[in-house]
Amino acid sequence: NAGVTQTPKFQVLKTGQSMTLQCAQDMNHNSMYWYRQDPGMGLRLIYYSASEGTTDKGEVPNGYNVSRLNKREFSLRLESAAPSQTSVYFCASITGLAWGEQYFGPGTRLTVT
Amino acid sequence: GIQVEQSPPDLILQEGANSTLRCNFSDSVNNLQWFHQNPWGQLINLFYIPSGTKQNGRLSATTVATERYSLLYISSSQTTDSGVYFCASGGKLIFGQGTELSVKP
Repeated sequence: NAGVTQTPKFQVLKTGQSMTLQCAQDMNHNSMYWYRQDPGMGLRLIYYSASEGTTDKGEVPNGYNVSRLNKREFSLRLESAAPSQTSVYFCASITGLAWGEQYFGPGTRLTVT
Repeated sequence: GIQVEQSPPDLILQEGANSTLRCNFSDSVNNLQWFHQNPWGQLINLFYIPSGTKQNGRLSATTVATERYSLLYISSSQTTDSGVYFCASGGKLIFGQGTELSVKP
């Protein structure tokens, strides 16, 4: 049981490049989340998916798109990366549709130059 | 929007000391969780505690949902307790800014 996995662990992009961050969970959870964490700050919600086929915006959705590919996988796409998107990105999942104990992946450290 | 406020922002302890961290939240949704982010950046679940009291070893937590606050108690602190402690609340799990704890040997 791997829990929540994220790929890649590290990534460096140039301004304007695109990339997709992958997240998968094997706990049969319904809801999945993407957060970003900037230095010295708490986590801010980018997008979440309460169930397969649904996605909703969080606090800071601009510049990102998401896809809930199936119940296991939730990807985050940066279409045209900007230096302001340099951050650590965390994926998480919970059992319920809206609340419950949340489990986090190890994070992806993204640098945009 | 939902407000989640944590105090104190920073805390320095000698090994063996006790401490209390506080989390105030504005949302009436009972969905309070505490996490520890270790120095390597890993987020570790401590408690899912929408109400009541839970204990796990040297750590315990109490949430008074009607008054919209939660407390995390750390007893007999150890250097491995160092890191940032976050609480999160609400249907979308909004995070507070964290309490950075440093335990000195």
